[in-house]
Amino acid sequence: QSVLTQSPSTSGTPGQRVTISCSGGSFNIGSNYVYWYQQLPGMAPRLLIYRNDERPSGVPDRFSGSKSGTSASLAISGLRSEDEGDYYCAAWDDSLTGPVFGGGTKLTVL
Amino acid sequence: QVQLQESGPGQVKPSETLSLNCLVSGYSISSGYHWGWIRQPPGKGLEWIGTAYRTGSPYYNPSLKTRVTMSVDTSKNQFSLELTSVTAADTAVYYCVRDLGKWSSLFDPWGQGTLVTVSS
Repeated sequence: QSVLTQSPSTSGTPGQRVTISCSGGSFNIGSNYVYWYQQLPGMAPRLLIYRNDERPSGVPDRFSGSKSGTSASLAISGLRSEDEGDYYCAAWDDSLTGPVFGGGTKLTVL
Repeated sequence: QVQLQESGPGQVKPSETLSLNCLVSGYSISSGYHWGWIRQPPGKGLEWIGTAYRTGSPYYNPSLKTRVTMSVDTSKNQFSLELTSVTAADTAVYYCVRDLGKWSSLFDPWGQGTLVTVSS
């Protein structure tokens, strides 16, 4: 049981826009930044979004993040087949005194 | 370009100690940042294990705290993880990461990961 809640799966067709949500509480998302990680099949995760909505260099602007209250979202526009993989949200938890992850959302590009 | 590479046994017997090292290249550990470990059981999600710094005390996931020890060796530019009294539930891919530190969940970059199987 993950501290942050994500839908297990989502799907979209090439070119479509999809949104992945992440729900938490006042001790994590409600009071700290949210981060998003992309894990492509057979690969290590990589940082996709930091501090709610910032993109590291090299991450396409098709990826965007947002946060409102105790929830956060990752949006992917212009969906491409190479976006297929697992997406994880993360945030520091003041109660646990450490970072916590969502359970991950598996994105399928149809 | 910063790169991290995990090393250690791929199999550990139940009740024994899992030991892993992470060699950092392209960046001097002495320069700063924190250094952490994250694991992923087969087919499951990510779990933060702990984070260490070149000075000061490491901090660990409360659920693993009694079994985890982490350290940083600046002379070898590497850091390590020890997990005692392992069981099958500790079977996972273990990733080493560069960590921005407390109150952050910024892990970048990641090592390629190493699968550790707990089995007799």
